[in-house]
Amino acid sequence: RKEVEQDPGPFNVPEGATVAFNCTYSNSASQSFFWYRQDCRKEPKLLMSVYSSGNEDGRFTAQLNRASQYISLLIRDSKLSDSATYLCVVTSSTSGTYKYIFGTGTRLKVLA
Amino acid sequence: NAGVTQTPKFRVLKTGQSMTLLCAQDMNHEYMYWYRQDPGMGLRLIHYSVGEGTTAKGEVPDGYNVSRLKKQNFLLGLESAAPSQTSVYFCASRHQQGLAGGQETQYFGPGTRLLVL
Repeated sequence: RKEVEQDPGPFNVPEGATVAFNCTYSNSASQSFFWYRQDCRKEPKLLMSVYSSGNEDGRFTAQLNRASQYISLLIRDSKLSDSATYLCVVTSSTSGTYKYIFGTGTRLKVLA
Repeated sequence: NAGVTQTPKFRVLKTGQSMTLLCAQDMNHEYMYWYRQDPGMGLRLIHYSVGEGTTAKGEVPDGYNVSRLKKQNFLLGLESAAPSQTSVYFCASRHQQGLAGGQETQYFGPGTRLLVL
């Protein structure tokens, strides 16, 4: 089983739609969680960190469920510019060294 | 601030040739990383450094070497390139400790596309 798993998609949604992605992780001791966005042929960029209580940034909402070991990303009122690949990132500690583990990404296409 | 920069942006090598990829950051970050990204796979860690003069192996270190002689630079070397090393290489950096003791996010460079024939 992969340490971090995401549905690769693509998720094709019309403009204005609400779309949600999930990401599951296998290590119950994982400590920090992030969503990154990666545009085609570009570097990953931080979209938002994910906090235990859940957090919102404009149209984006991130949730963490430690009991079920998944994080989610909800995008409301989708824009064409939201089309990208969304990477789930989980950190864990091994012998004092933190590892950042990246999912393979979920591809989103927002259609006009 | 330029953030994280990488040179070159694109390179074609023949099997057996060597090259060095340069990563530079101007954010005074302690930690630096080299990843490779291949289709259908997540970013995989090659090597990383927790400070000037230190390096450590990541998930896929074979065929690569690194050096961190200056805090702002992290070099990735391929001594004898193989077609399996065709990939997109990303460098990243971060502060040692994030806010409230949490893990700081990583900042990525624009990537180097390497083709080994």
